[in-house]
Amino acid sequence: GAGVSQSPSNKVTEKGKDVELRCDPISGHTALYWYRQSLGQGLEFLIYFQGNSAPDKSGLPSDRFSAERTGGSVSTLTIQRTQQEDSAVYLCASSLGASGAQISYEQYFGPGTRLTVT
Amino acid sequence: AQSVSQHNHHVILSEAASLELGCNYSYGGTVNLFWYVQYPGQHLQLLLKYFSGDPLVKGIKGFEAEFIKSKFSFNLRKPSVQWSDTAEYFCAGGGSSNTGKLIFGQGTTLQVKP
Repeated sequence: GAGVSQSPSNKVTEKGKDVELRCDPISGHTALYWYRQSLGQGLEFLIYFQGNSAPDKSGLPSDRFSAERTGGSVSTLTIQRTQQEDSAVYLCASSLGASGAQISYEQYFGPGTRLTVT
Repeated sequence: AQSVSQHNHHVILSEAASLELGCNYSYGGTVNLFWYVQYPGQHLQLLLKYFSGDPLVKGIKGFEAEFIKSKFSFNLRKPSVQWSDTAEYFCAGGGSSNTGKLIFGQGTTLQVKP
């Protein structure tokens, strides 16, 4: 079946502009995660959605970052007033969700959006 | 604070050499551990995972990892690497909360020379 898809694959924006990154999770997956991968670093957790519960926003680096998930499916990560340090690959992942089954913690990743802020 | 660390940042091996990549975690409670691989130009793929039970877990493409609780380690091994194993490898941990979010190590770049 289809995997996690993200769009756009690449985004170049000027400093100060707002950007929106989109994620389509695997159908039926109730959990959705956003991570950021900066050059030479590992993946940094940003935000987590589980069903209709309030999202875990503990990883968002500043209030310029926000995310929403509409209808329990598609998610959009928005970065306002972009800065050069926001340049990174933004990865989305989905999983079956915290249903109590161990397999629900297995995350499937999308190809990422490479964001470059000039 | 919870953390996952990988000791080797860049490893270069010749084909048929044995591989061991180190991973240590520093949090208690429920431990779910993963190794992900990212081949050049591709997205992250799960290699193997440990939740409970047999501490030696086998994954795809001949990889295995051993969970050693006393050492807080989950090292990745492969007896004989191939050129096609050239990739970046990430260790990740989760499960200490009920969110499923993962904490990743910094990654290890493996280069296998033919």
